[in-house]
Amino acid sequence: GAVVSQHPSWVICKSGTSVKIECRSLDFQATTMFWYRQFPKQSLMLMATSNEGSKATYEQGVEKDKFLINHASLTLSTLTVTSAHPEDSSFYICSAEGIQREQFFGPGTRLTVL
Amino acid sequence: AQSVTQLGSHVSVSEGALVLLRCNYSSSVPPYLFWYVQYPNQGLQLLLKYTTGATLVKGINGFEAEFKKSETSFHLTKPSAHMSDAAEYFCAVSIGGTSYGKLTFGQGTILTVHP
Repeated sequence: GAVVSQHPSWVICKSGTSVKIECRSLDFQATTMFWYRQFPKQSLMLMATSNEGSKATYEQGVEKDKFLINHASLTLSTLTVTSAHPEDSSFYICSAEGIQREQFFGPGTRLTVL
Repeated sequence: AQSVTQLGSHVSVSEGALVLLRCNYSSSVPPYLFWYVQYPNQGLQLLLKYTTGATLVKGINGFEAEFKKSETSFHLTKPSAHMSDAAEYFCAVSIGGTSYGKLTFGQGTILTVHP
């Protein structure tokens, strides 16, 4: 089946630094990927839609200058959390859309900002 | 806008017992409905989905769900629980079209199966 990977699986950083999270579709091409974040004991919240070769579309309330998304190829989307602060600590999950529009999810990246 | 409510953050059943996980949704347009399962340290895996057509949907691992428009529900059931069913389950909704993949999730239900 289709596999989506995320790297790193967990990261700890200091406040004020930037962190890049990669989302890769390993055995299929995805023109569209989605980024979600999940706070402890809460649901996944859609942050943005990432389209290959174009600008990402952000959901209301998500700061596009803080969460930079780049979808440079059909198998890779990256989320960069710029100038991270403790309130950005969360679980970040991506999904990649397959040819039949099924969503394949990555295992997630846990970000802790000290 | 759409929303999803999963009743019960934790459900515990005995092995062999009926599994019932509840999901209610709200949507201003006909919804597409999904159930996902997440095992520890793994990504969400699609169990089943409803888009159009037959309202009783069968999925993997013996699970099924019924779309009931009048009750705005999409409850997940399995006749006989197995130990391997222990996981977290998420109900999700989208409005289809160009927003098919933009999912709104419920808060999740952790299923525990006792021997």
